[in-house]
Amino acid sequence: EVQLVESGGGLVQPGGSLRLSCAASGFTFSSYSMNWVRQAPGKGLEWVSYISSSSSTIYYADSVKGRFTISRDNAKNSLYLQMNSLRAEDTAVYYCLDSDLELGWGQGTLVTVSS
Amino acid sequence: DIQMTQSPSSLSASVGDRVTITCRASQGISNYLAWYQQKPGKVPKLLIYAASTLQSGVPSRFSGSGSGTDFTLTISSLQPEDVATYYCQKYNSALTFGPGTKVDIK
Repeated sequence: EVQLVESGGGLVQPGGSLRLSCAASGFTFSSYSMNWVRQAPGKGLEWVSYISSSSSTIYYADSVKGRFTISRDNAKNSLYLQMNSLRAEDTAVYYCLDSDLELGWGQGTLVTVSS
Repeated sequence: DIQMTQSPSSLSASVGDRVTITCRASQGISNYLAWYQQKPGKVPKLLIYAASTLQSGVPSRFSGSGSGTDFTLTISSLQPEDVATYYCQKYNSALTFGPGTKVDIK
């Protein structure tokens, strides 16, 4: 069974850091380009970052460029998002998604940035 | 960066009405266009991919068309369970979403 399980969210103060993880199972993770997508409360869906299957190509949304870092470990079937200098506007549920839309959505992990 | 726009931002229609939502890409994306339905508190549900291919299990009243920069999602006969927000999404490489269209029943 294909599964994407996001974790690592929580409550953090403005300026703080968090590292999100996405654990993949049931498919050949190393074959897929992956993304992080987020949805703030009551708002639309926003793409955050992309990483190719080999990590050779990485993109970021302007809203997170310079603050967030995407990475992956194909040996551990895992995707990561290191989030630094967090702001209130980063409060959202974060999801990992593949670029080919073959793997579905996990339940996401909630990040709350608040003092 | 490719931007996605949608229109209208919201609509209200009667049960049984034909509903059309439009999505436009700021540059050509071939047919790498998907449509999602999202109900409050739920994860988005994939309805259509490759601009016009219906995802398995999705009712046939949903259809998609278009290529390049202009795309449409059509609900041929609106049902009460279709009340939701609909998003278009460019995929293949980085993902980009439209702002959404909220659909409710008149």
